[in-house]
Order: sequence, then C-alpha cells, then structure tokens
Amino acid sequence: EAGVAQSPRYKIIEKRQSVAFWCNPISGHATLYWYQQILGQGPKLLIQFQNNGVVDDSQLPKDRFSAERLKGVDSTLKIQPAKLEDSAVYLCASSPTTGANSPLHFGNGTRLTVT
Amino acid sequence: DQQVKQNSPSLSVQEGRISILNCDYTNSMFDYFLWYKKYPAEGPTFLISISSIKDKNEDGRFTVFLNKSAKHLSLHIVPSQPGDSAVYFCAASRTSGTYKYIFGTGTRLKVLA
Repeated sequence: EAGVAQSPRYKIIEKRQSVAFWCNPISGHATLYWYQQILGQGPKLLIQFQNNGVVDDSQLPKDRFSAERLKGVDSTLKIQPAKLEDSAVYLCASSPTTGANSPLHFGNGTRLTVT
Repeated sequence: DQQVKQNSPSLSVQEGRISILNCDYTNSMFDYFLWYKKYPAEGPTFLISISSIKDKNEDGRFTVFLNKSAKHLSLHIVPSQPGDSAVYFCAASRTSGTYKYIFGTGTRLKVLA
C-alpha cells in the first residue's frame, strides 16, 4: 500500500509570510493527524481529524495555524503569519480506525525554516 | 508538563550486543504504548506496541517490557545491528475517551560495527 504522502519536503520562508503544507493519508484511513517536531523534541500533536471532523485541536495555535480536511481525505495545514519559532518538521500521520490501539503511519514530513 | 520522558538522549552499543532504551511516563491513565524508529529525513516508523494488560511483547529482535507500577517501559534489541542506528521514540495513549499519542523526546541509538 502507498504510504502517507506529504509536500513539499522543504520550505524556507521569511517571518510574517504564509505557508501551506499538504498531506494525503493512506487510502481508507479515517483518522489524520498533524504533528510538529521541533529539533531535539518529540512530535507534538497539533490537530487530529476523524474523517472531516476535528477531534482534538487543543494544541493548535489558532491565531496563526489552520487546518482542514475536506471530503475526509487529504488535508492542508496553513501558517499565517509565520514566526521564527515555527521552524520545525511538520509530520502528517494517519491510522485506519478510531481506536487508540492503532499505530500511526507517518509521512516523511515537511521541514520548515523561518528566517 | 512532560508526560512521557526519555531521559537518555543518546546510547552507543557494540554490534551483536543488547540495546536497552528506556521510557517513563507520569499519567496512570495511559494504557497503550508504542515505540517508533526514525531515520534522518524520514518520518517515524512504527516498531512495536504493548497494551497495559501485558507486561511483555516480543517481535523478532525487539521486545518491549512494561512495568505499570513503576510507570516504566523499555525496548530491548537483541542482537543489535548497525542498521538499528536511529532515533527511537516512545509514545503513550489511553484507549478510553478522546485519546491522543504523547511522544517522548527520543533516544539516539548508535550501533558500532
């Protein structure tokens, strides 16, 4: 089966600019996650979707971050305006079921550098 | 508040020997635990998991041990191979209510040939 696809792989922007990341999960996976991984830290959940509904966005900085999952398939994460501290790898993951006993399948991530 | 902790940022082991990676958690509601392996420029890859109803789960060279009373889990790799060199993350979740996976900060394992 094809894995989780993310694009772009790398992005460099200046602070206050906007940026968008795209994710296509594994076919048939109902749950989609966006994680932020800052260098030297573990992945931190930003938002979790169940089909096209939001399950958890408690750690999403909603003043600058937004995400959508139209039609319950692929998803877009946007940052506007970007800050220096947003420099990180943004990982998309999916899982087949709603149950917690379901490992996440990660994409290769988008490395964002904000200058 | 770091609910999942990996206190060793790095570990070096000789090829063929055992690698032991440790993870501690603070939330007693966690009942499902996973280990992920991450190579540079790639996303984390699922390795092995364990439910809190077990204290051990084995898959080939990889074994995860869970000590609920100590809120501690460990990953054993025997024998270690150079291809095992990667960053290892433990993660925890609870299976009831609104769940999410909480990740530790990772341990970089280097297996020396």
